[in-house]
Amino acid sequence: NAGVTQTPKFQVLKTGQSMTLQCAQDMNHNSMYWYRQDPGMGLRLIYYSASEGTTDKGEVPNGYNVSRLNKREFSLRLESAAPSQTSVYFCASSELGFLGTEAFFGQGTRLTVV
Amino acid sequence: EDQVTQSPEALRLQEGESSSLNCSYTVSGLRGLFWYRQDPGKGPEFLFTLYSAGEEKEKERLKATLTKKESFLHITAPKPEDSATYLCAVRHGSSNTGKLIFGQGTTLQVKP
Repeated sequence: NAGVTQTPKFQVLKTGQSMTLQCAQDMNHNSMYWYRQDPGMGLRLIYYSASEGTTDKGEVPNGYNVSRLNKREFSLRLESAAPSQTSVYFCASSELGFLGTEAFFGQGTRLTVV
Repeated sequence: EDQVTQSPEALRLQEGESSSLNCSYTVSGLRGLFWYRQDPGKGPEFLFTLYSAGEEKEKERLKATLTKKESFLHITAPKPEDSATYLCAVRHGSSNTGKLIFGQGTTLQVKP
């Protein structure tokens, strides 16, 4: 059981280049999330998908787009990378419910934009 | 404004020296408080969920407690392998989507 799998693990981009971060979960969860983690800033939500077919903005969505391809997969796209997007990106998934359930995280993608 | 604050930012302990980490929150209608452990270069690993004031959860040397305004992660007789960053997160009443609000974390170092 792999849980949440992210690819790639590391990436270096030049300013202005585009790329897509891939995420897949095998726990049959409805909700998926993209966070970024920066020193001193904690984990901040970029976009989320409460269920298949829906996506919505989080706290820091500017410069990003997402696609919920199916129930398993949720991708994050940087159309024109900027140095401010240098960060560690985490994908997570959880079940829905009135009482919140825990989210499970992938191992992260370390992105450097030069 | 919904907010989660963790203290201290960093904590150094000697092996066997017990202590507590604090997570203070101000959210509208708590639907769950979550503790995670994060090792360097890894994703956060789930530890505990607490739902209501007075609730406690234990796992090995860790014990999490919850009041109406804060949560504590108590570490009893820590070992070097407990060294990690501990993250606190909350899900609040206006979020029907599963979104979590994270604190900035406490980095714990346990020296042998």
